Amino acid sequence: QKEVEQDPGPLSVPEGAIVSLNCTYSNSAFQYFMWYRQYSRKGPELLMYTYSSGNKEDGRFTAQVDKSSKYISLFIRDSQPSDSATYLCAMRPAGNKLTFGGGTRVLVKP
Amino acid sequence: EAGVAQSPRYKIIEKRQSVAFWCNPISGHATLYWYQQILGQGPKLLIQFQNNGVVDDSQLPKDRFSAERLKGVDSTLKIQPAKLEDSAVYLCASSLTPTGEETQYFGPGTRLLVL
Repeated sequence: QKEVEQDPGPLSVPEGAIVSLNCTYSNSAFQYFMWYRQYSRKGPELLMYTYSSGNKEDGRFTAQVDKSSKYISLFIRDSQPSDSATYLCAMRPAGNKLTFGGGTRVLVKP
Repeated sequence: EAGVAQSPRYKIIEKRQSVAFWCNPISGHATLYWYQQILGQGPKLLIQFQNNGVVDDSQLPKDRFSAERLKGVDSTLKIQPAKLEDSAVYLCASSLTPTGEETQYFGPGTRLLVL
């Protein structure tokens, strides 16, 4: 069983819809949780960063962490075609290496 | 601010050949990472450097992969000899410090195809 599980998709939504992404994990030592966006043939870029449990909002993006359920989510409001990409969750314990999920491919149709 | 630079962008080789990738991190970043991303998977850390020293190389296949970071700046990753399963994108990333809150900035990657 992988430490971090993420549905590969693809997830197809119409423009303006809410995109809902999630990851589950098994390592209770994870404390730092991140979401990266990766466009085709590009490197990942950090979207959201959260420490421990709670919610964080940044513009159209909201990240949620539920450590009791070992479950993290990313919501994208008012989705745009430019949001079409692969979204990777990543997490780490204190002072240790990042473990990535496999990524979810998202397609926002105009 | 210039980003992480990598070269070459693409490489096609025959199995058992050798190949090398180069990475130039963001200026002033102490920590440099090499990741392997197989198609349809998330990046997997191969090796982490802090300045010149290796912090973590637990997932580096040391019988065929090697990496160095001379003078704490540029880094090269080498594969010798290559196997078919080494076909992947090799991502280089850098961060200012290796604490839990740092942002890792990724380069565009080198796409390797082993035939």
